[in-house]
Amino acid sequence: GAVVSQHPSWVICKSGTSVKIECRSLDFQATTMFWYRQFPKQSLMLMATSNEGSKATYEQGVEKDKFLINHASLTLSTLTVTSAHPEDSSFYICSARQGTGAGEQYFGPGTRLTVT
Amino acid sequence: GDSVTQMEGPVTLSEEAFLTINCTYTATGYPSLFWYVQYPGEGLQLLLKATKADDKGSNKGFEATYRKETTSFHLEKGSVQVSDSAVYFCALRSGSASKIIFGSGTRLSIRP
Repeated sequence: GAVVSQHPSWVICKSGTSVKIECRSLDFQATTMFWYRQFPKQSLMLMATSNEGSKATYEQGVEKDKFLINHASLTLSTLTVTSAHPEDSSFYICSARQGTGAGEQYFGPGTRLTVT
Repeated sequence: GDSVTQMEGPVTLSEEAFLTINCTYTATGYPSLFWYVQYPGEGLQLLLKATKADDKGSNKGFEATYRKETTSFHLEKGSVQVSDSAVYFCALRSGSASKIIFGSGTRLSIRP
């Protein structure tokens, strides 16, 4: 089946620094990728939809200047958390859609971010 | 807006017990419905899906039937195993939209 990877799997950073998380579709091309945030013992909340070659679409309440998304190729999307604060600590999960519209979404294993 | 409500956990069962995890939804139109599973330390995996009313999704002994009249998509398994211990998410996608809306998740623990 289709595989999506994320790197790193976990990261610890200091307040005020920025951290980049990569999401790759390993064996298929993904025009669209999605970034989710999952708080402990809670559900996934969609942060933004990333389309290759265009600007990401952010969900209401998500700061686009804080969570920078770049989808430069059909197999790679990156999420950069800028000027991180402890409240940004969370589990970040990406998914990649195979095809368009109602195509299957495949999820990465997630990245745990801890901001100290 | 569209939403998914699923039973709160945690749910703890003995091995070989019957499992039901309730899920109901609110949506305009005719959504596709999904169950995803998240094993410890791993990402979400699609467990099963149904795209129209009365469809039954099934996989690994799990089943769920798309009930339009009750707006439900309950997950069932006749005999659970320890390896089924995970968090289960009910989800929907409306029409041709890309966005998937998840329920809050139900943590399932199976005792040997």
